[in-house]
Amino acid sequence: EPEVTQTPSHQVTQMGQEVILRCVPISNHLYFYWYRQILGQKVEFLVSFYNNEISEKSEIFDDQFSVERPDGSNFTLKIRSTKLEDSAMYFCASSTRTGGGYTFGSGTRLTVV
Amino acid sequence: DQQVKQNSPSLSVQEGRISILNCDYTNSMFDYFLWYKKYPAEGPTFLISISSIKDKNEDGRFTVFLNKSAKHLSLHIVPSQPGDSAVYFCAASGGNKLVFGAGTILRVKS
Repeated sequence: EPEVTQTPSHQVTQMGQEVILRCVPISNHLYFYWYRQILGQKVEFLVSFYNNEISEKSEIFDDQFSVERPDGSNFTLKIRSTKLEDSAMYFCASSTRTGGGYTFGSGTRLTVV
Repeated sequence: DQQVKQNSPSLSVQEGRISILNCDYTNSMFDYFLWYKKYPAEGPTFLISISSIKDKNEDGRFTVFLNKSAKHLSLHIVPSQPGDSAVYFCAASGGNKLVFGAGTILRVKS
């Protein structure tokens, strides 16, 4: 079954450093997303991406965050200057359409120290 | 953001019996509802969904019921199996994003 692949599975970084989280969505999917889950909290929407541009973003997704689809297969989330409160599981997802049918990756655990 | 609520943090059920997980929402503009299952250190796995124009959708052991007037949906698992033990998230689709509930931990005892 097709799957969404995320790398790395775990990243530890120092506060203030830049991190890039990588995702390979399912190849025929057109919509791409990033979500995060802080330990003990809900899964939260960060950003959706369609047709090479952001289609919606949450208030969490401030200027420190950016997304890119650099080569037609990868979908990346960059955090420019990490803060302690950015520590969370970050999930990439993709879908063929808006609405149902999202497939999530296994997540990247980001730990900011 | 309390648009999607799962008021039961946990549920314990005997193997073979029915599990009923509940979810309430406040935004009448949601057009699609989904249930995801999640194990620790893994991403959410899609289980079943329902469009807002329907009131029931069934897939094997899983059935989702939607009561639009009450803004309530539920997931029924019959019969429950020990492998069903996981965190279950209700999610609602609005525009280009999903809004998740806090999750319910289901434990199925053998």
